[in-house]
Amino acid sequence: DGGITQSPKYLFRKEGQNVTLSCEQNLNHDAMYWYRQDPGQGLRLIYYSQIVNDFQKGDIAEGYSVSREKKESFPLTVTSAQKNPTAFYLCASSIQADFYSYNEQFFGPGTRLTVL
Amino acid sequence: ILNVEQSPQSLHVQEGDSTNFTCSFPSSNFYALHWYRWETAKSPEALFVMTLNGDEKKKGRISATLNTKEGYSYLYIKGSQPEDSATYLCASSSGSARQLTFGSGTQLTVLP
Repeated sequence: DGGITQSPKYLFRKEGQNVTLSCEQNLNHDAMYWYRQDPGQGLRLIYYSQIVNDFQKGDIAEGYSVSREKKESFPLTVTSAQKNPTAFYLCASSIQADFYSYNEQFFGPGTRLTVL
Repeated sequence: ILNVEQSPQSLHVQEGDSTNFTCSFPSSNFYALHWYRWETAKSPEALFVMTLNGDEKKKGRISATLNTKEGYSYLYIKGSQPEDSATYLCASSSGSARQLTFGSGTQLTVLP
């Protein structure tokens, strides 16, 4: 089955530790995205990548880092610089580089990160 | 409108009722409007992507309209069923944002 996988589903970390969230897709999509959801708010864009070896900051990139070394993988690192890391994180992809968001996005199941 | 706003935030309807939600978005520099359905414990799934003023799209009992000049879209569900219970998200690329800006969603509960 084609799709997007995120692991783990739940993640707990101590304050001050960096943590990396995994996102893998086998849809052969060019573009990938990371969103964050907080209660009562819409999804907010953290980082996105239109093509391998390239990525751009979204609206709330501070305290996060990403890499895009392979087409199918787009891991997100939540660093100790992120002041409020506890949230639900969603990864998504779309079929091609999409500079105006004309293509639907396909979402993974999400990772809930809790920083203690 | 500077952000994407959805109303109502939540609603409960009886099985068989028809219902509709509103999404407001910046009307300047409009590129696209997306609707997604997000069921509990599942991933959001795309319902519609609309790009042209006056667009109307339909998928089964669900349809959507788009007015880019005034910056709003309506999502309609005809004859709601319990399986329609979900959070419905809209997102636009418009204004200064070419990537999607999401609203906070409308949570629909259909009571049997």
